[in-house]
Amino acid sequence: DAGITQSPRHKVTETGTPVTLRCHQTENHRYMYWYRQDPGHGLRLIHYSYGVKDTDKGEVSDGYSVSRSKTEDFLLTLESATSSQTSVYFCAISKTSGNYNEQFFGPGTRLTVL
Amino acid sequence: QQQVKQSPQSLIVQKGGISIINCAYENTAFDYFPWYQQFPGKGPALLIAIRPDVSEKKEGRFTISFNKSAKQFSLHIMDSQPGDSATYFCAACSQGGSEKLVFGKGTKLTVNP
Repeated sequence: DAGITQSPRHKVTETGTPVTLRCHQTENHRYMYWYRQDPGHGLRLIHYSYGVKDTDKGEVSDGYSVSRSKTEDFLLTLESATSSQTSVYFCAISKTSGNYNEQFFGPGTRLTVL
Repeated sequence: QQQVKQSPQSLIVQKGGISIINCAYENTAFDYFPWYQQFPGKGPALLIAIRPDVSEKKEGRFTISFNKSAKQFSLHIMDSQPGDSATYFCAACSQGGSEKLVFGKGTKLTVNP
């Protein structure tokens, strides 16, 4: 499972409240990613990180911010949650295996914004 | 703009049959094409991947076929089993940098016993 944990695993919150999701890895991989998964959309990249304090936007970054102060932790923050951010959020790491850089996913966080 | 198109959305196969899922991509810079398998309530799990320097890769009952000129690739599951029932996602990216995967929308496979 590439040593990835996500917390919380489930969260229900109200519109307008801030929410922070945590991704923790145990293997010191440089690249970390946040995706959201919605029915009919597959997985879409929100933000990614290529090192401590180095982050960049993905396809659906509006309304989200990220931080990475330690190699092992990558935080995703919804500054003011909206109902459109109800989704399942997955963290991933990139790991070199032979000729490939492969991505491995965490177990996910199910977020409901009421 | 959907960069990776996946079909069908759902697929029902009898046990022992062949399951075929197709994907097409647009960006010719893509050079890494993985398939992920996802069971309900779980994260996607890497199943098999291919790079465009080969036309086929086989791992057990799972085979990727790749057609670079047509910009298409497909997953074949031979001797499909009920335990293969899951959602399958194709993806693509350019390796050597940030590896930002672009996913297809997924195919829900049901294998009937």
